[in-house]
Amino acid sequence: GESVGLHLPTLSVQEGDNSIINCAYSNSASDYFIWYKQESGKGPQFIIDIRSNMDKRQGQRVTVLLNKTVKHLSLQIAATQPGDSAVYFCAENLGPDNNAGNMLTFGGGTRLMVKP
Amino acid sequence: EPEVTQTPSHQVTQMGQEVILRCVPISNHLYFYWYRQILGQKVEFLVSFYNNEISEKSEIFDDQFSVERPDGSNFTLKIRSTKLEDSAMYFCASTEILGGSAYFGPGTRLLVL
Repeated sequence: GESVGLHLPTLSVQEGDNSIINCAYSNSASDYFIWYKQESGKGPQFIIDIRSNMDKRQGQRVTVLLNKTVKHLSLQIAATQPGDSAVYFCAENLGPDNNAGNMLTFGGGTRLMVKP
Repeated sequence: EPEVTQTPSHQVTQMGQEVILRCVPISNHLYFYWYRQILGQKVEFLVSFYNNEISEKSEIFDDQFSVERPDGSNFTLKIRSTKLEDSAMYFCASTEILGGSAYFGPGTRLLVL
């Protein structure tokens, strides 16, 4: 079946640098994408989302870019801080107009390590 | 900020025993979910629940699993006869609308011995 996958399992950055975490998806019918942050022993924490009718969305220090042509999603974190160290997951959803619109399919995760 | 809560945080049980994992979704949310994460693996969808019935379920959610909303605030996952491979973190989540942003609870770590 189609699934979401990640290019890099571990990303190590210096504090203050920008981080880019990538995700590839294969289901062209996916309508909605979410980035989650998961710290050790905790549940996934919502960071930012984007719908397929957009190609960029900005939050506080985070930006999500969606390239539907190549089915690629990225999360950019500006001025990365030690508190950003965690595993980051992308997840996709087929959207509310689809019978499977409630189910999130998660990627494998990228571990971000921020060096002080 | 409203959040999803789950109890217990940890549960140890013997193989073959029944367990009930409890969740309190965000109060104005209408859609409820259970996901699980086996150690070191992806988060996997189990089931979604809306209007007092299951709306979707995965292949993992077999006859040993059931969900219930016993009252206006709780949402439970029952595993009737636990197996070793049921050991995982179980996350409850909720959304306000269909296809909306899912907010996850802190999880219950289930260990089946």
